[in-house]
Amino acid sequence: GENVEQHPSTLSVQEGDSAVIKCTYSDSASNYFPWYKQELGKGPQLIIDIRSNVGEKKDQRIAVTLNKTAKHFSLHITETQPEDSAVYFCAADDYKLSFGAGTTVTVRA
Amino acid sequence: DAGVIQSPRHEVTEMGQEVTLRCKPISGHDYLFWYRQTMMRGLELLIYFNNNVPIDDSGMPEDRFSAKMPNASFSTLKIQPSEPRDSAVYFCASRTSGSSYEQYFGPGTRLTVT
Repeated sequence: GENVEQHPSTLSVQEGDSAVIKCTYSDSASNYFPWYKQELGKGPQLIIDIRSNVGEKKDQRIAVTLNKTAKHFSLHITETQPEDSAVYFCAADDYKLSFGAGTTVTVRA
Repeated sequence: DAGVIQSPRHEVTEMGQEVTLRCKPISGHDYLFWYRQTMMRGLELLIYFNNNVPIDDSGMPEDRFSAKMPNASFSTLKIQPSEPRDSAVYFCASRTSGSSYEQYFGPGTRLTVT
């Protein structure tokens, strides 16, 4: 089955700085790579996703890059704000979603 | 739409008791997923349904766990008998069969087994 590794496990950034989270996956058949944000006491919520036929996707301050050859993908958050503080999960979908272990992001004011 | 609805939000029970978690997916969604979240194991897929039919239950930890989807608007996850190691947050999620793979998660049920 699919194995997704996510780094770092915690990330503290100054407000306004950028945050980068990296993930690797094992199954070359995976073709869909979503990122979810989970706030305390809530369920995960999709913030951006990318398909295997696309190398990069951007939505305002959030961008995701995918390198299929190397089997890794990354989340980039620019101009971080306090409301970006949350746990972020990457996932890979071969025929079902496998999640990374999560990154706790803290944005310092 | 109200989103995915789960009940109860919190459940505290004693070891050996039966526990039933409930989920109402978003109307029109034909995939339904049950996940378990713990600090040790993260987010794990337990089982998923397509058009009310269980497709993959390989994540169900053992026979004490069972899930049903009697109709398109309701699903249950049952644990019988419950054990302390079942303590976790259980999420239900749903999605359409269209081109979007986005899964919409419910708020979760926090289960504590003492």
